[in-house]
Amino acid sequence: DVKVTQSSRYLVKRTGEKVFLECVQDMDHENMFWYRQDPGLGLRLIYFSYDVKMKEKGDIPEGYSVSREKKERFSLILESASTNQTSMYLCASSLPGGVNEQYFGPGTRLTVT
Amino acid sequence: AQSVTQPDIHITVSEGASLELRCNYSYGATPYLFWYVQSPGQGLQLLLKYFSGDTLVQGIKGFEAEFKRSQSSFNLRKPSVHWSDAAEYFCAVGPSVDSSYKLIFGSGTRLLVRP
Repeated sequence: DVKVTQSSRYLVKRTGEKVFLECVQDMDHENMFWYRQDPGLGLRLIYFSYDVKMKEKGDIPEGYSVSREKKERFSLILESASTNQTSMYLCASSLPGGVNEQYFGPGTRLTVT
Repeated sequence: AQSVTQPDIHITVSEGASLELRCNYSYGATPYLFWYVQSPGQGLQLLLKYFSGDTLVQGIKGFEAEFKRSQSSFNLRKPSVHWSDAAEYFCAVGPSVDSSYKLIFGSGTRLLVRP
């Protein structure tokens, strides 16, 4: 069974902290994505990666960075967390070759106080 | 600009009743179309997808969707809703003009099921 796992289901951090959200997939997928989900706004793409060490900005990259050192792992980094980054963060992966079905992790609900 | 509209924020249906969730898109060519479901506290799961061919697509859990090019719609249907269908449903289209990998998601429709 395909699986995307995220390191934490719930996380509480303080303003100004550096925050790491980890995502691991076991499907050998080339593409990986980080989304942010807020009520009434649907899913907004933060960053995606189409290969190891390759990344592209999504629609809302400000305040975030990413790291992909290994194919199966894609990390989202909040360099200095702010309260407006309180949200649900979803990781996904997919096969290469353009748009394909994306497989999602369970999400991390991050609260920044 | 490319966009996806799910006009209904919330829908309430009785268990056993039929369901239709609306999805309209704005897209320059024939898009790839997806419906995902998100149960409370969970990630998204693919219900069905349309890439080409037969415009009526069957998915998991008894769902189907019909691609209507003339109406720019991809509505999701189920003939008889079960209490376990209560969830949030997202329509998505792709690829976006700025990236061949990127999906554009609608804002979601929350389905409530009345016993």
